[in-house]
Amino acid sequence: QSVLTQPPSVSAAPGQKVTISCSGSSSNIGNNYVSWYQQLPGTAPRLLIYDNNQRPSGIPDRFSGSKSGTSATLGITGLQTGDEADYYCGTWDSGLSVYVFGTGTKVTAL
Amino acid sequence: QVQLVESGGGVVQPGRSLRLSCAASGFTFSSHGIHWVRQAPGKGLEWVAVIWYDGSKQCYADSVKGRFTISRDNSKNTVFLQMNSLSVEDTGVYYCGREDSVNWYVGHWGQGTLVTVSS
Repeated sequence: QSVLTQPPSVSAAPGQKVTISCSGSSSNIGNNYVSWYQQLPGTAPRLLIYDNNQRPSGIPDRFSGSKSGTSATLGITGLQTGDEADYYCGTWDSGLSVYVFGTGTKVTAL
Repeated sequence: QVQLVESGGGVVQPGRSLRLSCAASGFTFSSHGIHWVRQAPGKGLEWVAVIWYDGSKQCYADSVKGRFTISRDNSKNTVFLQMNSLSVEDTGVYYCGREDSVNWYVGHWGQGTLVTVSS
């Protein structure tokens, strides 16, 4: 059972903005950096955001990340049909000495 | 370019063992930790284990602790996951991923290998 909670799904019309929340605790998000992963249907996950708000090369600036206290947020602006995927947050849990993923959020462009 | 290739998946009966491999290329293998992450059919990502860059430390999810062992051979650029006492709950796609920072994130992923535990 994941210790990071995400909404099961979010949706918006193409061109609009969506945000995905990731709620944790002081032992994970509160004291460690958060990363975000995108998993397109039938493919392996890929890194989307690292160190709370940094984008790897090749990731468009439509994707953004932030962290406050024990929660983190992924934002997607200018939503495209190609963004339809599952999104996961992830971080190290210092209390448990394990890496933890969020429960996952399915993004749909209506 | 960075490449991670998993192998060793297949169909195995409950209670039996299986060993997965993750072959790496395109980077200095001995400088990076490696994770195993799995995904049951239709479910989310579940972290399984990580091994430090030099093999000095390993950490495991509670669900596999005592049954799975992660190891590495830096001379062969390969990480292994020995899985014993397998159960149907271990069924899924197993991905290996490269740890890219002391800040903990998986920067590169393999394509995955499917493990099916069934009688």
